[in-house]
Amino acid sequence: SAVISQKPSRDICQRGTSLTIQCQVDSQVTMMFWYRQQPGQSLTLIATANQGSEATYESGFVIDKFPISRPNLTFSTLTVSNMSPEDSSIYLCSVPGEGGLNEQYFGPGTRLTVT
Amino acid sequence: QKEVEQNSGPLSVPEGAIASLNCTYSDRGSQSFFWYRQYSGKSPELIMFIYSNGDKEDGRFTAQLNKASQYVSLLIRDSQPSDSATYLCAVNLYNFNKFYFGSGTKLNVKP
Repeated sequence: SAVISQKPSRDICQRGTSLTIQCQVDSQVTMMFWYRQQPGQSLTLIATANQGSEATYESGFVIDKFPISRPNLTFSTLTVSNMSPEDSSIYLCSVPGEGGLNEQYFGPGTRLTVT
Repeated sequence: QKEVEQNSGPLSVPEGAIASLNCTYSDRGSQSFFWYRQYSGKSPELIMFIYSNGDKEDGRFTAQLNKASQYVSLLIRDSQPSDSATYLCAVNLYNFNKFYFGSGTKLNVKP
């Protein structure tokens, strides 16, 4: 499976500010995914980042709040904008595997705390 | 109705016992089914996948799928304290790259 890294691994931010999270993959992938895992909860898909086109957002998530960039096939960023304490979560990027069953592999995550 | 349902637990089993984790899903169009293990503070790790009815074994793990009952399970034989984690069931619809995750079952294996 691909090796995925994320930066930063954790951060504490003040409300009203923005944080950009980076996801780097060691191989080229067509799609990258961004998930949120709120405390004690499961994973919720935020959006699918496609290289060369706009990201596709899931219901309840909007581009103004979570702008995504995908400049090439190995890198993506997710920005959490105008943060509030409710945005405190772990943010994870994932990429599809090569097993043909659309399995996904996750990066180590970014733990965000908004005060 | 949630797409994927799991009992949140915690499920406690003694070391060496069989742990049985269950998951139900709502969409009959679901194609592939996955079990992830997540240790506290870590990201999910894929441990098993299954797409055909029946059983699939990998070491101490067995995944079971019953599409008629919309039910998938994970058995862990000879449970070890290192198996203590939250186990997430995930379902892939129509072979799109879109997953729905259950809320996870917390497993405690007691020495």
